[in-house]
Amino acid sequence: RKEVEQDPGPFNVPEGATVAFNCTYSNSASQSFFWYRQDCRKEPKLLMSVYSSGNEDGRFTAQLNRASQYISLLIRDSKLSDSATYLCAVNQYGNQFYFGTGTSLTVIP
Amino acid sequence: EPEVTQTPSHQVTQMGQEVILRCVPISNHLYFYWYRQILGQKVEFLVSFYNNEISEKSEIFDDQFSVERPDGSNFTLKIRSTKLEDSAMYFCASREIRGNQPQHFGDGTRLSIL
Repeated sequence: RKEVEQDPGPFNVPEGATVAFNCTYSNSASQSFFWYRQDCRKEPKLLMSVYSSGNEDGRFTAQLNRASQYISLLIRDSKLSDSATYLCAVNQYGNQFYFGTGTSLTVIP
Repeated sequence: EPEVTQTPSHQVTQMGQEVILRCVPISNHLYFYWYRQILGQKVEFLVSFYNNEISEKSEIFDDQFSVERPDGSNFTLKIRSTKLEDSAMYFCASREIRGNQPQHFGDGTRLSIL
């Protein structure tokens, strides 16, 4: 079983739509969780950390569900500039992070 | 905003040669990482480094690979006897020592093995 799994998509949504991605993790002892954004042939860039109580940053909302072992990212009012691949990252223990394969999002005019 | 910097941005090397990829982590960060991303595939963990030694490494990080912090600022990844399948983007990342902090990535080195 993979440590971190994501639906690769692609998700094609119209501008202004709301879209949500999930990411499941296998190790219940995982400690910290993050969402990254990766544009084509670029480095992953931190979008937001995911806190136990859930957190919001503008149009982006991240949630953690420890019981079901998943994290989610909700994007409201999608912009063309949101088109990218969204990666979840999980720190299970120690110093090692696991990344999902990424979910591709295309926002269509 | 402080950044992780990597050099070179693109390295083209003949198969069998050795390459050294260089990284300058963010100055107050003490955890360092190397990742690999083959075109169209996921970001794969290679190795983490703390306190001048490897703290964890993946199955990918075999005897062909080594890391070093030769001075107070640089963090290098050496790949010996390169193979065609080593062609990928290599990302360096660093993070603070405080718990649960995210990693910050450099913009990567594209390694092309001919």
